[in-house]
Amino acid sequence: DGGITQSPKYLFRKEGQNVTLSCEQNLNHDAMYWYRQDPGQGLRLIYYSQIVNDFQKGDIAEGYSVSREKKESFPLTVTSAQKNPTAFYLCASSIEGSSGVFYEQYFGPGTRLTVT
Amino acid sequence: QKEVEQNSGPLSVPEGAIASLNCTYSDRGSQSFFWYRQYSGKSPELIMSIYSNGDKEDGRFTAQLNKASQYVSLLIRDSQPSDSATYLCAVNYQISNFGNEKLTFGTGTRLTIIP
Repeated sequence: DGGITQSPKYLFRKEGQNVTLSCEQNLNHDAMYWYRQDPGQGLRLIYYSQIVNDFQKGDIAEGYSVSREKKESFPLTVTSAQKNPTAFYLCASSIEGSSGVFYEQYFGPGTRLTVT
Repeated sequence: QKEVEQNSGPLSVPEGAIASLNCTYSDRGSQSFFWYRQYSGKSPELIMSIYSNGDKEDGRFTAQLNKASQYVSLLIRDSQPSDSATYLCAVNYQISNFGNEKLTFGTGTRLTIIP
């Protein structure tokens, strides 16, 4: 089965600890994305990567870091510098589009992070 | 800041009726438009994509795009209780001259189908 997996589904951490969220895809997609969703709000882009070993900041990158060492994997680290880390984190992937055309983006099941 | 606006709802529709969801966007250069369905506590699921002006039908779903009015809509015919969810509109925009594209999401419209 092709798809995107995220682990764990639920994650609890103490304030001040870094935590890494896993995202793996076997769709052979070039582009991968991390979003954050807060209650009653739309998805906000944290980081994205269009090719291996390259990634760009999204709209709310402060307090987060990523790596893209393999095409299939795009882990997100939530650092202690992130002021409000409690949220629903979503990983997505897509075929890399040509200029002006953006292809469908598919989401993993998400990780719900709670920091106390 | 590129914007995507949706009525937050909630929108209540009787079972069997047509549900109409609307979305407007600010970037005239946008060319790719998507509708996602999100059940409570779950991740978004792509249900429609549309790239050209006009209508695109897929089963009970019809997406309508009007680039001149910067408007995209989703119609759900013969609404079922299983259609009760939040519907997210997403629009692409170009962030650099090198072709980098991103999606901007609306905040979603919560739809409830009443049996």
